[in-house]
Amino acid sequence: DGGITQSPKYLFRKEGQNVTLSCEQNLNHDAMYWYRQDPGQGLRLIYYSQIVNDFQKGDIAEGYSVSREKKESFPLTVTSAQKNPTAFYLCASSANGAALSTDTQYFGPGTRLTVL
Amino acid sequence: KNQVEQSPQSLIILEGKNCTLQCNYTVSPFSNLRWYKQDTGRGPVSLTIMTFSENTKSNGRYTATLDADTKQSSLHITASQLSDSASYICVVSALRGNAGNMLTFGGGTRLMVKP
Repeated sequence: DGGITQSPKYLFRKEGQNVTLSCEQNLNHDAMYWYRQDPGQGLRLIYYSQIVNDFQKGDIAEGYSVSREKKESFPLTVTSAQKNPTAFYLCASSANGAALSTDTQYFGPGTRLTVL
Repeated sequence: KNQVEQSPQSLIILEGKNCTLQCNYTVSPFSNLRWYKQDTGRGPVSLTIMTFSENTKSNGRYTATLDADTKQSSLHITASQLSDSASYICVVSALRGNAGNMLTFGGGTRLMVKP
């Protein structure tokens, strides 16, 4: 998993609760990403950050929030506004935030979130 | 709209056999194409990356091909092993755009290798 850690591996949440997923990398990468993976579908980008203290919305940002206060960390909060939060969440990082199309992304092991 | 379609959706083969996975894309302007391997419950790991000028690239028993004219790629696995059981994801990068539309992920092919 290339120096990227995600925690917890499994997470259960009651409806109406916010929950924060952790993502940490020790690769000294500038860029970090959050994806959502649903069965049979391609990964969809939630948020990305090309550099510390900056982040941009991806395709499906509604109901999610992020912060990038440190280069190593990019936590994702799934809020109660997210209507269908049960999914597998993947964090990734890449070395150069200005080379999004050519840089290889390294993925963490993922967090499976289940809303009860 | 950029799209990446993979086939088949799932595949079962016997250990030791070869197989070929397909990826068709409509991403423009094209930058590169990657194949990732994703074990169940884990994050994807990059296998190969090919740019416009590359027709084939190998990584051990994995060989990827690219036909930029027909916008098709294939991943050939030789002498399959039980550890090859995983999902294989095709990812196509556009040359420009923001991160929201620069990478397009296929839905993956789930491969099961049986003894």
